[in-house]
Amino acid sequence: GAVVSQHPSWVICKSGTSVKIECRSLDFQATTMFWYRQFPKQSLMLMATSNEGSKATYEQGVEKDKFLINHASLTLSTLTVTSAHPEDSSFYICSAPKGGLAGGGFGPGTRLLVL
Amino acid sequence: QKEVEQDPGPLSVPEGAIVSLNCTYSNSAFQYFMWYRQYSRKGPELLMYTYSSGNKEDGRFTAQVDKSSKYISLFIRDSQPSDSATYLCAMSVSTTGGGNKLTFGTGTQLKVEL
Repeated sequence: GAVVSQHPSWVICKSGTSVKIECRSLDFQATTMFWYRQFPKQSLMLMATSNEGSKATYEQGVEKDKFLINHASLTLSTLTVTSAHPEDSSFYICSAPKGGLAGGGFGPGTRLLVL
Repeated sequence: QKEVEQDPGPLSVPEGAIVSLNCTYSNSAFQYFMWYRQYSRKGPELLMYTYSSGNKEDGRFTAQVDKSSKYISLFIRDSQPSDSATYLCAMSVSTTGGGNKLTFGTGTQLKVEL
């Protein structure tokens, strides 16, 4: 099945620093990847769609200058949380569709804690 | 009104019980319907997906879609303690990029007790 990895699995940082999260598709190529955010006891909320070779598409209310997305290759997308603040603390999960089917694989998530 | 509504639970059942998890939706454009299982502090794991009204069975799991009522269900037979997790329904419409972005329900927390 589809395998998607994320790195790091968790990170603690000081307020004001930037954090980069990587999402990789391990056994397939993904021209599109999705970034979600999940707060405790809440559902996954789509933040943005990462497109290889073009700009990311952000959902309404998501600041593109704060959450920088770079789809560097067909197997790698990165999400950089710039100038992180405590309210950015959350569980960030990426997904990569495979074979055109809905869903595909989700990464294991990255837990971010901003102090 | 949210596009996808799901009872957050928590739902507690004894081992061996039949579990029914449900979602309703408002967007008629949704084409694919999925159920995910998410263990604590882990990414979601796809359990089942379907794109037509009716039932789809896979082992102890049955997914049911009623497009006319905009209602989907997941049934778990002979529930086990290992089924204890949060179950998320998700729905999608096609995107021009070839992938499908998902709209999730809030998830139902299930606990199966011995």
